[in-house]
Amino acid sequence: DAGITQSPRHKVTETGTPVTLRCHQTENHRYMYWYRQDPGHGLRLIHYSYGVKDTDKGEVSDGYSVSRSKTEDFLLTLESATSSQTSVYFCAISEQFAGSTDTQYFGPGTRLTVL
Amino acid sequence: AQSVTQLGSHVSVSEGALVLLRCNYSSSVPPYLFWYVQYPNQGLQLLLKYTSAATLVKGINGFEAEFKKSETSFHLTKPSAHMSDAAEYFCAVSGSLGSQGNLIFGKGTKLSVKP
Repeated sequence: DAGITQSPRHKVTETGTPVTLRCHQTENHRYMYWYRQDPGHGLRLIHYSYGVKDTDKGEVSDGYSVSRSKTEDFLLTLESATSSQTSVYFCAISEQFAGSTDTQYFGPGTRLTVL
Repeated sequence: AQSVTQLGSHVSVSEGALVLLRCNYSSSVPPYLFWYVQYPNQGLQLLLKYTSAATLVKGINGFEAEFKKSETSFHLTKPSAHMSDAAEYFCAVSGSLGSQGNLIFGKGTKLSVKP
């Protein structure tokens, strides 16, 4: 298994509070991704990173920001959580960019509930 | 733009029966295609991928998929279902997003296996 951890694994928070989710990898992969998974929608890309301090938006980036100050860590921040952000969040990593044949490896997920 | 359609959000088979999970893709360029599996409360793991080397791709746990360009399909099959195959399965196609590309996932098919 790829060395990917996510923290916290579960979180309950209230509307309007800031939330930060952390993804940590031990594989030294260049590319890191944040997805959200919702019933009936599959996985949708929020943001991704192609190097330290290099990030870009995915298809559902509104309300989210990311930071990557070290190769091994990729943080996802909800500046002011809303109930629509209740979801399961997955981090993924890959050696090459996602438009290639390279495999993405997924973390165990963080279940976030916004009340 | 690339897209993926998985026909059937739920599929139920009996143990020992054929498993067939359908995936159709849309892509303006030769695609790279993937099948991932998600067991309950876990992240996704790669089952197999098509990288244009061979149209019949064999993966883990006895699964295989055939790339059919004329039908724009990449259906997943397994000759004999096992109880442990119960999971959700996602088809994905490599796409273009910004300068780095991304994976575009289908909405998933949940497989149930009856004893």
